[in-house]
Amino acid sequence: SQQGEEDPQALSIQEGENATMNCSYKTSINNLQWYRQNSGRGLVHLILIRSNEREKHSGRLRVTLDTSKKSSSLLITASRAADTASYFCAPKTGGSQGNLIFGKGTKLSVKP
Amino acid sequence: DAGITQSPRHKVTETGTPVTLRCHQTENHRYMYWYRQDPGHGLRLIHYSYGVKDTDKGEVSDGYSVSRSKTEDFLLTLESATSSQTSVYFCATQTGLYEQFFGPGTRLTVL
Repeated sequence: SQQGEEDPQALSIQEGENATMNCSYKTSINNLQWYRQNSGRGLVHLILIRSNEREKHSGRLRVTLDTSKKSSSLLITASRAADTASYFCAPKTGGSQGNLIFGKGTKLSVKP
Repeated sequence: DAGITQSPRHKVTETGTPVTLRCHQTENHRYMYWYRQDPGHGLRLIHYSYGVKDTDKGEVSDGYSVSRSKTEDFLLTLESATSSQTSVYFCATQTGLYEQFFGPGTRLTVL
């Protein structure tokens, strides 16, 4: 399975702190994506990093990818209470017909 | 939610009854997906479609069928609902850049 596995399963921090979530996967990928899910809502795409990229930024988000270790990390800087959500990584193999395989997610709680 | 709607949003049904969930998109995306989300299992792929009348099975397809007669609509049918199919169902579409957009979900309870 190409399922991404997020670590930790749950993370609780104070507002203003940084939050780091990790993802590991098993085989070669085309790209890796991170999604956020607020309670009771659908997933929202955050960022995509291609297999030939090592780091990517989007606002307060920073994603790294280490294909030699088959791992990725998502860093949220200066967390806000509104960042409270579950975060999923989704490795993607193959071309357009390859599917995303979601892990179980990291549940982030940011306390005001 | 990128123009993706799901109906119904909530449904309670009885074991053995047929159920159809509808996903409608206005983005003209070629790829569409049905997932279920359960505690402890994360998001699991049921079926997907790569074009009109072109569908394929995902990880947990047993007990489900799908149809796609138009680009904008992707239907998920539970032929004979069972309690193990109680779940939250999400539809998603995919852009050419491989990003997926998700609908708001349908909460299905099978009694």
